[in-house]
Amino acid sequence: DTGVSQDPRHKITKRGQNVTFRCDPISEHNRLYWYRQTLGQGPEFLTYFQNEAQLEKSRLLSDRFSAERPKGSFSTLEIQRTEQGDSAMYLCASSRDRDRGGYTFGSGTRLTVV
Amino acid sequence: GNSVTQMEGPVTLSEEAFLTINCTYTATGYPSLFWYVQYPGEGLQLLLKATKADDKGSNKGFEATYRKETTSFHLEKGSVQVSDSAVYFCAPIFPSGNTPLVFGKGTRLSVIA
Repeated sequence: DTGVSQDPRHKITKRGQNVTFRCDPISEHNRLYWYRQTLGQGPEFLTYFQNEAQLEKSRLLSDRFSAERPKGSFSTLEIQRTEQGDSAMYLCASSRDRDRGGYTFGSGTRLTVV
Repeated sequence: GNSVTQMEGPVTLSEEAFLTINCTYTATGYPSLFWYVQYPGEGLQLLLKATKADDKGSNKGFEATYRKETTSFHLEKGSVQVSDSAVYFCAPIFPSGNTPLVFGKGTRLSVIA
């Protein structure tokens, strides 16, 4: 297994555009998490899935953000009408139910909104 | 409410020095506790964990003991190496429901030869 894959690695977009990121978790992991990390800060939780069900969403996740995990495999995170404040590293992680807290993280997608 | 507080960095040490990075938490109940590490240019990695009071997690020469009385989980290493230079994050999972990891702000460690 190659671990958690995120695509793209970098994305530069103009303010107001929509962007979509993809995460491919480790195949036997049924939990998938999205976090956001800005410079000098720890990762902030956005949302997570158990299989295809989205179980929790942070208050950070405004109406412009949406995440899906069809069929409980890969996941997408879409940001509509991007703002400069959305510039950050978006991290995806996955785990098995029994590995509470033992997440495997991807390398992240760095978003720059200009 | 639930929260985690981590020692602010950056921390700069000479090779073979002793390292302590403080982490304390506030919680209703007893969280499981984790340390993650982020090496330059790499993704976050689990370093060690402890799931109940008095447990000691250890890995790569690092240790941390779950102290219920002081609600702490300080990270220690007896002799740091240049290769330990990284950002370290304390991350509890609080006991209510299915809440995910909550990360501290991180402590940047630089070890100089």
